[in-house]
Amino acid sequence: GDSVTQMEGPVTLSEEAFLTINCTYTATGYPSLFWYVQYPGEGLQLLLKATKADDKGSNKGFEATYRKETTSFHLEKGSVQVSDSAVYFCALGVSGNTPLVFGKGTRLSVIA
Amino acid sequence: DTEVTQTPKHLVMGMTNKKSLKCEQHMGHRAMYWYKQKAKKPPELMFVYSYEKLSINESVPSRFSPECPNSSLLNLHLHALQPEDSALYLCASSQDPPGQGALEQYFGPGTRLTVT
Repeated sequence: GDSVTQMEGPVTLSEEAFLTINCTYTATGYPSLFWYVQYPGEGLQLLLKATKADDKGSNKGFEATYRKETTSFHLEKGSVQVSDSAVYFCALGVSGNTPLVFGKGTRLSVIA
Repeated sequence: DTEVTQTPKHLVMGMTNKKSLKCEQHMGHRAMYWYKQKAKKPPELMFVYSYEKLSINESVPSRFSPECPNSSLLNLHLHALQPEDSALYLCASSQDPPGQGALEQYFGPGTRLTVT
């Protein structure tokens, strides 16, 4: 079945460090890929998305490129801030009567 | 505007109580969802409504009863819950039902439920 695998957390970085959170997927068909962010005590917010191979999603300094050859959608940010501390979920959506499939989430802590 | 609202923000209830969670969206979305999220876990899908009809029930116990009064509202009625049902309950909506058109979902802030 369809699945998403994210790197285990927690990830702890100093402010202004470079961030990579790995995400790989398994899917039948041609999925759309998403990153969601959940700040403490809040719901999930859609951070960025990509709907086809080689698309790059970007938002708030975060980027992810849909790589079909490596079935990956890694999240990157060049310089993290304390305010980026949150849990990040990678997710995929495919055709058919199947809602989003989420990864387990990666907790990011950024220290000043 | 991509806002989904949920009330109440927090709820404490006893195992014999009956309560309801409410969710509202005014984006014209045609699908709405209930998720349950335990601490440090991803959201778990409970129910999906497509065009105001229940389309997916992920084998949820009958003590949880969803209702979709109209295209903008989604309720979750709670009765005789157990302490293990304590969790964050998230509502979401999407422009199109699962597998059709745009797939992204927009989430509300959640209701933090504690069952005593």
